[in-house]
Amino acid sequence: EAGVAQSPRYKIIEKRQSVAFWCNPISGHATLYWYQQILGQGPKLLIQFQNNGVVDDSQLPKDRFSAERLKGVDSTLKIQPAKLEDSAVYLCASSFGRREQYFGPGTRLTVT
Amino acid sequence: GEDVEQSLFLSVREGDSSVINCTYTDSSSTYLYWYKQEPGAGLQLLTYIFSNMDMKQDQRLTVLLNKKDKHLSLRIADTQTGDSAIYFCAENSRDAGNMLTFGGGTRLMVKP
Repeated sequence: EAGVAQSPRYKIIEKRQSVAFWCNPISGHATLYWYQQILGQGPKLLIQFQNNGVVDDSQLPKDRFSAERLKGVDSTLKIQPAKLEDSAVYLCASSFGRREQYFGPGTRLTVT
Repeated sequence: GEDVEQSLFLSVREGDSSVINCTYTDSSSTYLYWYKQEPGAGLQLLTYIFSNMDMKQDQRLTVLLNKKDKHLSLRIADTQTGDSAIYFCAENSRDAGNMLTFGGGTRLMVKP
């Protein structure tokens, strides 16, 4: 079974630029999550989708971050404009039920 | 918010047992998890335990849960150099929409 796919793996941008990340979850997984992992810390949930609806986006900085999952499968996370403190690894995860979340390899973002 | 705490670092010799500890504060946790993260990779789900259990064994891994003290541990028997990684515990909170809250991670170093 294919795992969670993410692209790009690495991205370097200047502050105030925009960036987008893509995630393809495991086939059949209705729930999709985006996490932000700052160096030296554990992942922090940004947004959770159930099919194409948002379940929880309470920790998403909505003035600059947006995410969508239009057809209930793939998802994109966008940052516009980026700040230095957005440098982190952005992890996508998916789950079938509520027990096991499977993570992709992440996108490492560096904002200069 | 809810807190999950872990010690930062653990060093063991190859062949010894490793014990990684975690404390949490959310009494509504339904599942507690252990994830492994190798350099440059996403999080790999190792094992999880339901909150009404006190022990779970899976090959070299033993999870112990003390719900009264809100203490979770992961024991790795016969630790190998390939076990060197960062280990994260996480809780799945029913009161927080089943989102995962992660600890800061414990870096395990296995010396030959």
